[in-house]
Amino acid sequence: EDQVTQSPEALRLQEGESSSLNCSYTVSGLRGLFWYRQDPGKGPEFLFTLYSAGEEKEKERLKATLTKKESFLHITAPKPEDSATYLCAVQGVSNAGNMLTFGGGTRLMVKP
Amino acid sequence: GAVVSQHPSWVICKSGTSVKIECRSLDFQATTMFWYRQFPKQSLMLMATSNEGSKATYEQGVEKDKFLINHASLTLSTLTVTSAHPEDSSFYICSARDVAGTLYEQYFGPGTRLTVT
Repeated sequence: EDQVTQSPEALRLQEGESSSLNCSYTVSGLRGLFWYRQDPGKGPEFLFTLYSAGEEKEKERLKATLTKKESFLHITAPKPEDSATYLCAVQGVSNAGNMLTFGGGTRLMVKP
Repeated sequence: GAVVSQHPSWVICKSGTSVKIECRSLDFQATTMFWYRQFPKQSLMLMATSNEGSKATYEQGVEKDKFLINHASLTLSTLTVTSAHPEDSSFYICSARDVAGTLYEQYFGPGTRLTVT
């Protein structure tokens, strides 16, 4: 059974204070690891897909990295508008239904 | 690209009535759509997988007779909450996977807030 654990549950940063969010996963074979951003009362917004260890992807102030056991979402010099819940999900090769297994999310709050 | 819409965005209904929520992929075709439920400050809980032209697959503990799912075309799936009760009040979100894509991303709709009074 695929499992995803995200830490911390909540993170408060000052504007400009860089940090990282962690996503630890257990999967029989990884098809993909996904990062989403979710604002209150809205659906998740797709950010990145990572497929293999060593892969990195960047978008504005966000950079996602992947190892065989975990992924990090690095936030460089965050701004208040980066405040949201960040969700990590995996899809394993044993998952014939293409389902995603989600972690509990990290609530990020960036204060000006 | 990869836009998914949901309608309505919010709905209030009386206990015992039924409510239908639509999920549409606007710029791509989706053989598979997923329905999730989300409680406040919690992550997404998969309710069912909807496949175009076939019966939906429900997750354990989800009543298929209460949450009716229809996926009649490659761009539309509907979730009907039958005989709704206050405990069915929640945020319902759908997602869709691009049939033409070689990747495995799912794109999510904006969600529907259901309140049962």
